Amino acid sequence: QVQLKESGPGLVQPSQTLSLTCTVSGFSLTSYNVHWVRQPPGKGLEWMGRMRYNGDTSYNSALKSRLSISRDTSKNQVFLKMNSLQTDDTGTYYCTRDPYYYSGDLNWFAYWGQGTLVTVSS
Amino acid sequence: DTVLTQSPALAVSPGERVSISCRASEGVNSYMHWYQQKPGQQPKLLIYKASNLASGVPARFSGSGSGTDFTLTIDPVEADDTATYFCQQSWNDPYTFGAGTKLELK
Repeated sequence: QVQLKESGPGLVQPSQTLSLTCTVSGFSLTSYNVHWVRQPPGKGLEWMGRMRYNGDTSYNSALKSRLSISRDTSKNQVFLKMNSLQTDDTGTYYCTRDPYYYSGDLNWFAYWGQGTLVTVSS
Repeated sequence: DTVLTQSPALAVSPGERVSISCRASEGVNSYMHWYQQKPGQQPKLLIYKASNLASGVPARFSGSGSGTDFTLTIDPVEADDTATYFCQQSWNDPYTFGAGTKLELK
């Protein structure tokens, strides 16, 4: 059974760095792409970036200067780090997975974690 | 970035047919996908590549379109379909989502 679960601090101070973990089960990170998507409260969704099955990463250009995605395949975990947080970074952060293994970039989000709410506030 | 435009809200009665539109600012081939999100839940994939029904999704949901204009249709609408519906394109970098259409039942 495919599962993704996000974890991290619920509260981050402005200008600080956000660190989130996506722990997956039921599939291998060396076979599937995993993405991060976020959603401000009451608003729409924003694709942040992806960790490809081969270890390559790509980022939304709007966030690229602040964002880093990495992984630990032995622990089945994908990590997100984003620095210089501001109040408009408040929202729910999701990790998601592509539908097919060894897939390219023209994909959709077949599986989602439950999300983790991050509040940026002093 | 590719902007996806959706109407903000619709209200329909159970048993009726509803069409939710999504217009892209540039062509996305057939790489338009639809998600349903209920309050407090993560989005759920409904339709992929414009017209393909995701696994486990009722046949009441269907999708159509190509290029820049796409439609999600629910026929007939049921009370459980109250939710916000998002379109998403994966043809152009970066992936982008529409702002969502909130479907309410009368």
